[in-house]
Formats: sequence, C-alpha cells, structure tokens
Amino acid sequence: DAKTTQPPSMDCAEGRAANLPCNHSTISGNEYVYWYRQIHSQGPQYIIHGLKNNETNEMASLIITEDRKSSTLILPHATLRDTAVYYCIVRSLNTGFQKLVFGTGTRLLVSP
Amino acid sequence: DTEVTQTPKHLVMGMTNKKSLKCEQHMGHRAMYWYKQKAKKPPELMFVYSYEKLSINESVPSRFSPECPNSSLLNLHLHALQPEDSALYLCASRGSSYEQYFGPGTRLTVT
Repeated sequence: DAKTTQPPSMDCAEGRAANLPCNHSTISGNEYVYWYRQIHSQGPQYIIHGLKNNETNEMASLIITEDRKSSTLILPHATLRDTAVYYCIVRSLNTGFQKLVFGTGTRLLVSP
Repeated sequence: DTEVTQTPKHLVMGMTNKKSLKCEQHMGHRAMYWYKQKAKKPPELMFVYSYEKLSINESVPSRFSPECPNSSLLNLHLHALQPEDSALYLCASRGSSYEQYFGPGTRLTVT
C-alpha cells in the first residue's frame, strides 16, 4: 500500500470550510483513497473514499488530483463536533482490501 | 443501521485472569476485525475474520485468542495479559465498498 503524508495538526473556525490535505505520491492505479476520523475516545468513523473521480456524500467531499498523487478532504461547514483526528489511508487491491493501516493522521481543531 | 456494538465498555483485569471481549454487528457483513489502540497512537490491526475464518493474524501473542462463532459475532479471549496490553480494543466490520464500521471500543486495564 502507498504511504500517505498528512500535516500533524490544523485549525479551522466554526462555520468555515476545513480542507485537509493528504499526499500519496506513490499511489498506484488500483489503489483507493479512504478517509476516516476518530473523535476523542470513540471508534474511528468512515467518511468517504474514491479512486480518481471527486466524490461527495452527506459528510464531506473528496477531491483527488488528476495525477492521483494527492487528495483533499473538505468539510464544507465545520462544526465543533468535527474536532477529531482525520486519517487518510490508501488501500490496495493486492491485499484484497482487507488491511487498514492507519498513519498518524491530522488533528483538526474547530474553534468557535 | 451501521452500528457495531462492543461489550464491556471498560474492563479491569489482573494478569492471571481470563476474560472475553465481545463484538456484534447486524449489517450482514462477512468480514470482522480486531484492532488495538494505545493512547495517542493510531489503531493497529490484530486479526481479520472473513466468512468466519481467520484470514489475518498480525503476529499477535497467543495470550490473545480470537473467535468468530457466527457471522454476526466476534470474541477476543484474553488470558495471562501483561500491563502493557492495557489499551482500547476496537472491533470493526467491513461493508460492500470495503469501508469499515467501528464499534466504540473496550477500554482494557491490566493490573
């Protein structure tokens, strides 16, 4: 699986968009990008995933660059409850998508 | 319903005790996972069950013994644990797009 790089921490004002970057420059053609988040003392929560097209659901949008070497998770109107550690994970068909290897993630702090 | 339940929420056990952690999902998922998470660290995979068979064991010590009695249930049997095994133990199940749904975890303290 490709390695990912994320900033260790980010701040965002409540009501503003939170844009969380992820670098995955060694990603290969059959690898998907998944995003999870973990609010303090809770289990991780699945947010969104994509291969090469941009994706949107009720929680967030995922923008993947054309060369697929990086992506951005967008929370359009951040709330205090979005304060969490956000994990960007690249998953390979080679492992049958079974393994989920968490990196250190980005700690997002949303402030009033 | 995307709920994974885990019991108990908290567990304190001595090094000579035997205890079990339980996980349940009713989403019809056929793959289930155990993860271990130490404080301020990301979760680490321990075991994967696929169609009720153990498919991945990440070289976990034998004092941790997983069991999958049926497709909805996953147990983790604990015996002769060490204080360094104190952690948050997370269960997850895998959906049709290979996304995983996690339970709230069991916070284990070994004394």
